[in-house]
Amino acid sequence: DIQLTQSPSFLSASVGDRVTITCRASQGINTYLAWYQQKPGKAPKLLIYGASTLESGVPSRFSGSGSGTEFTLTISSLQPEDFATYYCQQLNTYPWTFGQGTKVEIK
Amino acid sequence: QVQLQESGPGLVKPSQTLSLTCTVSGGSTSSGSYYWSWIRQPAGKGLEWIGRIHSTESTNYNPSLKSRVTISIDTSKNQFSLKLSSVTAADTAVYYCARVPTSGYYRMDYWGQGTLVTVSS
Repeated sequence: DIQLTQSPSFLSASVGDRVTITCRASQGINTYLAWYQQKPGKAPKLLIYGASTLESGVPSRFSGSGSGTEFTLTISSLQPEDFATYYCQQLNTYPWTFGQGTKVEIK
Repeated sequence: QVQLQESGPGLVKPSQTLSLTCTVSGGSTSSGSYYWSWIRQPAGKGLEWIGRIHSTESTNYNPSLKSRVTISIDTSKNQFSLKLSSVTAADTAVYYCARVPTSGYYRMDYWGQGTLVTVSS
């Protein structure tokens, strides 16, 4: 299985901060990577797919980049509604796998 | 607007079979343009992909669960289902269903709200 390792696992930040989350794959996955946001008690919400394509309706402060084994999710200016847990997922190779998650909390 | 809704028993006894159904509205499970997938999440933990099915009934399962999992599809009811046999407490989780477009880059673009299944006697 392809392992995805997110860093950091926990992040404390303030409104307005620029936030970057990294996802590293144990082997190359081209750009078959998606990012999701999950709030407590809710289903994950798709933010980014194909490593860098913004899902329709997702604010432009979210962006993704990377290819191969290293990927990043950036929030350019953190908003109150962005405090959540973020997951990366590879859909290049079965079984599809998720990173362990990055929890973004208010400083 | 596409909506997915999980349904099934919230409590299953150990060694029995967990059975869940995902009903799709605003879209069609008979469309060849999508995979239909199951994912689970134990309380306070991360997401685990269980498997997926296509309208052609082709499936792909997570090897960690493959011996116990069956995913099926009923296009006449616009539903797909999950069966997980010989459950233990480790199978207690919120179970989600999701849609995966097969064109372009795969991604899970629509999710159900999730249903909690507890394995306990």
